[in-house]
Amino acid sequence: RKEVEQDPGPFNVPEGATVAFNCTYSNSASQSFFWYRQDCRKEPKLLMSVYSSGNEDGRFTAQLNRASQYISLLIRDSKLSDSATYLCVVQGGGADGLTFGKGTHLIIQP
Amino acid sequence: DTGVSQDPRHKITKRGQNVTFRCDPISEHNRLYWYRQTLGQGPEFLTYFQNEAQLEKSRLLSDRFSAERPKGSFSTLEIQRTEQGDSAMYLCASSLLLRNYGYTFGSGTRLTVV
Repeated sequence: RKEVEQDPGPFNVPEGATVAFNCTYSNSASQSFFWYRQDCRKEPKLLMSVYSSGNEDGRFTAQLNRASQYISLLIRDSKLSDSATYLCVVQGGGADGLTFGKGTHLIIQP
Repeated sequence: DTGVSQDPRHKITKRGQNVTFRCDPISEHNRLYWYRQTLGQGPEFLTYFQNEAQLEKSRLLSDRFSAERPKGSFSTLEIQRTEQGDSAMYLCASSLLLRNYGYTFGSGTRLTVV
């Protein structure tokens, strides 16, 4: 079983729609959780940390369910500029560094 | 520019040659990480330093890979006797020793072995 699993997509979504991504992680001792965004041929950039209580940053909402080992990202009112790969990331639980999923490719269509 | 800097941006080398990449982290960050990313995959952890100490190196892909951070500032990643399978993006990241902080990545060095 992969440590962090994501649906690779692509998700083709019309501009203005709401889109949600999920990921699951296998290490129950993981302690920190993040969503990173990666544009084509660029480095990953931190989008937001994910907290147990859920957190929101503008149009982006992240949720963590520790019991199910499940992380989600919701994007509301999607923009063309949201087109990118979204990487689910976990940290801790005995693992050094960040453990990345393969990423979910999002394409926002005009 | 106060971000993470990597050099070179691109490297093309012949199979069997040695290559060395450099990373300059954000100056106040005490942790430095190396990752490798191949097409369609997420970044894969290789090794990391806290100041000048290399705290984890068992995830380096083979004994052809080595990394140093001699003065706790910049770091180098060397690949000896390169193979075509080494072709990838090599990413460096730095962070403070804090949880829930995330890392800042450099733009990466894209290696092509021909």
